[in-house]
Formats: sequence, C-alpha cells, structure tokens
Amino acid sequence: AQSVTQLGSHVSVSEGALVLLRCNYSSSVPPYLFWYVQYPNQGLQLLLKYTSAATLVKGINGFEAEFKKSETSFHLTKPSAHMSDAAEYFCAVSDPFSGGYNKLIFGAGTRLAVHP
Amino acid sequence: IAGITQAPTSQILAAGRRMTLRCTQDMRHNAMYWYRQDLGLGLRLIHYSNTAGTTGKGEVPDGYSVSRANTDDFPLTLASAVPSQTSVYFCASSDEQNTEAFFGQGTRLTVV
Repeated sequence: AQSVTQLGSHVSVSEGALVLLRCNYSSSVPPYLFWYVQYPNQGLQLLLKYTSAATLVKGINGFEAEFKKSETSFHLTKPSAHMSDAAEYFCAVSDPFSGGYNKLIFGAGTRLAVHP
Repeated sequence: IAGITQAPTSQILAAGRRMTLRCTQDMRHNAMYWYRQDLGLGLRLIHYSNTAGTTGKGEVPDGYSVSRANTDDFPLTLASAVPSQTSVYFCASSDEQNTEAFFGQGTRLTVV
C-alpha cells in the first residue's frame, strides 16, 4: 500500500532563508508525486508534480522538488522564503496504474511559518 | 471560471441528522473524489467516482454514501451524523490524464 510521511508538522524559517519541507513515500510501483499548498480557509492548490519525466520538477512561486528513487524522497525546496509562503503544504502520491484515476494519498501536512 | 463549487461552506449539524454536501464541477472531468481533512492526519479519501454511474470506496468510507448520476455532480451524504464526522470536507476532480486533481474550497462541518 502507498503511504506518505512528511517529517515535521511545523517548520519555521526567516524571510529570505531556504525552505526545505521533507517528504518520503512508499510505493510498490513508480509513483506520481505531488506537492499541494493550502492557504487559510482555502482549498488545495497544486504547486508541482512528478510524473516520471525529469526528476527535478519546478513549480509555481519559485518552489521545486527533486524525485530521488534511491531515497524514496520528494523534498520541496525554495531558495528564499517570502512572507506570502506561510501556509500548509501537503505531499501526495498516487499510483498511475491503479485504474482509479487520481486517488491521492496525502501526508499529514507541514505548516510553514515565515517570520521577519 | 468556477471549477469546483461546494455547498454549504459551513454547517453545524445535530447528531443523528441526515446531511448532504453538494459538489458540482464545470470542467467535464470524469473522475471525482471526496476527502476529509483532520488536523494531523492530512486528507483522507472517503469515496471516489471514475465516471458517471460508478463509485468506489476510499480509505474512510464508513458512515458516508455518494452517488454520481451525471458528470457534473457528486453529492456526499451522511445518513446519521456523529461527532467524529466533524471535519473539513473537500471535493476534487481530475481528468483522464490523471495528473492533477482540482479541489473545491471545502465545507466545514461540525456535528454536535
């Protein structure tokens, strides 16, 4: 069965500092991997996705993530945090061969705080 | 651009009452999903539908039912609400390419 582990339920960084949000997955087949962002009282918005093309994926708002099969990881990074990046971030995995379309399995989420 | 519309945005419901959460999409996506979001647990899949006329159980289906009479609508029903169903519910849809799910704004349900 697929699962996702996000290390750290809360991460706090200074404005301008590196953002690193960790995600490890387990899957019996090469997965699709996603990062979603949720701003307060809103739905989820796709940041970026890995679908077996380039292992370094660039998303919106300056975020990127690298798929590392050997480490079963898909960590999210941004070189310089902005105050507007404060939100909750979810890593998700899906099985492209499940026949059930995009049945995403989510991690528990990481709340990112950015302070001046 | 509407995307996915959920109604109501929030609701306080007495335990034992029946409640239907509505979800409508205008993207003509075949697949639709219902998730619940709980603190520390992320989002968990309740039910899904690959196409109109078909539904399937997700990770936490007990106490919930869905129907998919047409492509656009995917209502979620709580037959007899219990306090443990207090949560934020998100509806989502994806196309046949299956590489992105689009989410509604959520329904915040409190069962008292």
